[in-house]
Amino acid sequence: KAGVTQTPRYLIKTRGQQVTLSCSPISGHRSVSWYQQTPGQGLQFLFEYFSETQRNKGNFPGRFSGRQFSNSRSEMNVSTLELGDSALYLCASSLEFGETQYFGPGTRLLVL
Amino acid sequence: QKEVEQNSGPLSVPEGAIASLNCTYSDRGSQSFFWYRQYSGKSPELIMSIYSNGDKEDGRFTAQLNKASQYVSLLIRDSQPSDSATYLCAVNKGGTSYGKLTFGQGTILTVHP
Repeated sequence: KAGVTQTPRYLIKTRGQQVTLSCSPISGHRSVSWYQQTPGQGLQFLFEYFSETQRNKGNFPGRFSGRQFSNSRSEMNVSTLELGDSALYLCASSLEFGETQYFGPGTRLLVL
Repeated sequence: QKEVEQNSGPLSVPEGAIASLNCTYSDRGSQSFFWYRQYSGKSPELIMSIYSNGDKEDGRFTAQLNKASQYVSLLIRDSQPSDSATYLCAVNKGGTSYGKLTFGQGTILTVHP
């Protein structure tokens, strides 16, 4: 069974731009979570989606948003990028809401 | 107090030794606990999950959970150089945070030949 896939794998943007990251969960998994990983803050939860509904949200500004489609694929969007948004963005999928999460390879975002 | 704390590293052990990684959590109502391994430049990979008090073994790995002490640990027996990585403890607090994993800062393990 294929794992979680994320696109793109690497991205370079400039301040003020916006970015959309995509995540395809493991086949049959219905829940998708997003995390941001930085050297200073570690792994921090962004949000989780299940059945196209956001079930949980972390402490991030409104510039960070996401959505989930009917096929469980998910996207996250960051608007008005700041230098501090440079990070590894990780998507994780689980069979059902709240179950064991399996991570994708991540999207490494660099904001210049 | 951090929600999830791991023993400060880095931890260095010789090949063949037992590596002991520790994690404490602050929310007594936490429901499920996970250990992930992350190689440099890669994403976290699930090693173990544990839900009830006691030990859970999987190959060379043993996870131990003590909810009364709010403590979870990971033992790696017969450590190999390929075990060198950052180990992340993650907790699902349940309740309104159900589905959200809270991570510790990670412990860097180096296994030297």
